[in-house]
Amino acid sequence: GAVVSQHPSRVICKSGTSVKIECRSLDFQATTMFWYRQFPKKSLMLMATSNEGSKATYEQGVEKDKFLINHASLTLSTLTVTSAHPEDSSFYICSALYSGQDLAYFGEGSWLTVV
Amino acid sequence: QKEVEQNSGPLSVPEGAIASLNCTYSDRGSQSFFWYRQYSGKSPELIMFIYSNGDKEDGRFTAQLNKASQYVSLLIRDSQPSDSATYLCAATLGGNNRLAFGKGNQVVVIP
Repeated sequence: GAVVSQHPSRVICKSGTSVKIECRSLDFQATTMFWYRQFPKKSLMLMATSNEGSKATYEQGVEKDKFLINHASLTLSTLTVTSAHPEDSSFYICSALYSGQDLAYFGEGSWLTVV
Repeated sequence: QKEVEQNSGPLSVPEGAIASLNCTYSDRGSQSFFWYRQYSGKSPELIMFIYSNGDKEDGRFTAQLNKASQYVSLLIRDSQPSDSATYLCAATLGGNNRLAFGKGNQVVVIP
């Protein structure tokens, strides 16, 4: 299958700071990428859909000013958690839509801990 | 109604048996359906996708789709301990490339 790389895999930050997570499709172009959050033992929650060259579409209840998404190229989308708080600690996962196959492949996920 | 529902609780099956997982979806416009496997602390891994009514087999996995009943299932034959994981059902929502997930079903294969 196609490869999606996510970085960093783990990050610890102080409360009030910002953290950027990158999602890269390594061997295909992805016009659409998705960002999910998953709390322990809970299901994936879609945060936003990111389309290359346009503004992301956020799900209801997700603060767009807090979770900044940029999809500036066909292979890279970034999620920036601004003014992070301990309740933002979670597993953040991206997926990239491989249009040619109509399949979504996931990155490895990023564990964020806010202290 | 949730977009994708997986209502069964944890499923325990003996090694070598068949594990059966079910999923329903609410959007009749959904065209593509997926099963992902997620090990604890890891990202989901795509194991099956199905677009057409009927069965699709890949190794020990069989996905079944019934669009009239808005129902997708996954069968795991000859279950192995390595199959112990959470299985997530997903469906694309009509027209906008969103992928909605069910809450997942935990499968435990007992040696």
